Amino acid sequence: NAGVTQTPKFQVLKTGQSMTLQCAQDMNHNSMYWYRQDPGMGLRLIYYSASEGTTDKGEVPNGYNVSRLNKREFSLRLESAAPSQTSVYFCASLTDFSTDTQYFGPGTRLTVL
Amino acid sequence: GENVEQHPSTLSVQEGDSAVIKCTYSDSASNYFPWYKQELGKRPQLIIDIRSNVGEKKDQRIAVTLNKTAKHFSLHITETQPEDSAVYFCAASSYISSGSARQLTFGSGTQLTVLP
Repeated sequence: NAGVTQTPKFQVLKTGQSMTLQCAQDMNHNSMYWYRQDPGMGLRLIYYSASEGTTDKGEVPNGYNVSRLNKREFSLRLESAAPSQTSVYFCASLTDFSTDTQYFGPGTRLTVL
Repeated sequence: GENVEQHPSTLSVQEGDSAVIKCTYSDSASNYFPWYKQELGKRPQLIIDIRSNVGEKKDQRIAVTLNKTAKHFSLHITETQPEDSAVYFCAASSYISSGSARQLTFGSGTQLTVLP
């Protein structure tokens, strides 16, 4: 049981390049989330997926797109990376509303030059 | 939407002393309040949580208190040890506006340093 996994761990992009961050969970959770973490700002929600087949915007969605490929996988895409997207990205999953406990992946550290 | 404020942003204590971190929230519909500990370069890890029908919860050296009326909750760490040094985040859980999922809104974090 690996929990929540993310790839890659580190990535450096040039402005304008695109990439996809991958997230998978093996806990049979329904809801999945993408956050970004910047110094002094806590974690901010980018996009979420309440269940397989649905996605919706969070607090800071501009410049990102997501895909809920199946119940296990939730990917985050940067179509044209900008230096303002330099951040640490965390994926999280949640089993059901009765517990509200979110489990986080190990994170992806992204630098955009 | 929900807004969570956390204080202080940095906290230094001597080993063995107590540490207290405070958070306030704005949405009276929030009913679940977790605390996460994040060590440098690692993922946030849940250390304790409390629901709105409970006023206090304790787990060994860690306790959380909740005042629903005042909309604030606090983390208390007693007998601090150097390994308690980390960034601590509070959060409040509420429904996202569409009502389809729960959302955690995080405070901005407290860097706790325990001095030996």
